[in-house]
Amino acid sequence: DGGITQSPKYLFRKEGQNVTLSCEQNLNHDAMYWYRQDPGQGLRLIYYSQIVNDFQKGDIAEGYSVSREKKESFPLTVTSAQKNPTAFYLCASSIGLAGGTVYEQFFGPGTRLTVL
Amino acid sequence: AQSVAQPEDQVNVAEGNPLTVKCTYSVSGNPYLFWYVQYPNRGLQFLLKYITGDNLVKGSYGFEAEFNKSQTSFHLKKPSALVSDSALYFCAVRSYSGAGSYQLTFGKGTKLSVIP
Repeated sequence: DGGITQSPKYLFRKEGQNVTLSCEQNLNHDAMYWYRQDPGQGLRLIYYSQIVNDFQKGDIAEGYSVSREKKESFPLTVTSAQKNPTAFYLCASSIGLAGGTVYEQFFGPGTRLTVL
Repeated sequence: AQSVAQPEDQVNVAEGNPLTVKCTYSVSGNPYLFWYVQYPNRGLQFLLKYITGDNLVKGSYGFEAEFNKSQTSFHLKKPSALVSDSALYFCAVRSYSGAGSYQLTFGKGTKLSVIP
């Protein structure tokens, strides 16, 4: 988990509320990612960003939004439009996305979101 | 589309015995494959990756993986299991996400239990 921090560790949300999950990295990585993890479903990509001020939708972007104003930070907002937001959310980063070199991703410790 | 499959939801092995966690892949072009491990309520940790070259890849914590092109498999192995190896293991493949960028597509995970 070194180099990537996520906060808070646990988050409780009432229905109809938006919440923002924090992700910060000090690895000087260009690319950052958000995944959602549900039991038995593995990891599913929500959003990713190759560079500051640019981000792309992943496989399950509906009901989520992101920003990338700084290289180190990639916050995720879970909006009230997300119908089933209770899950474990993981942030990751890698050196880059493009080109022929294959880089592994480094993961943060995760945030567990529960809707009350 | 690139994909990986982990055919076993759970693998049980006695401490000291060899362990194998299975992964098969489906890709167009050259496969770039990864293994990650996740301990409870934690982020994923990178174990190893296959890009090209030797079919036996050595990674962290004594793990290795065998790439088999004819069987489209990338099984994770360890000669002697430890109780501390008990965790959730994910296989992943690099997949093209457009505009010259790539992402990781994960399997659903295999829970490994090492019995004392």
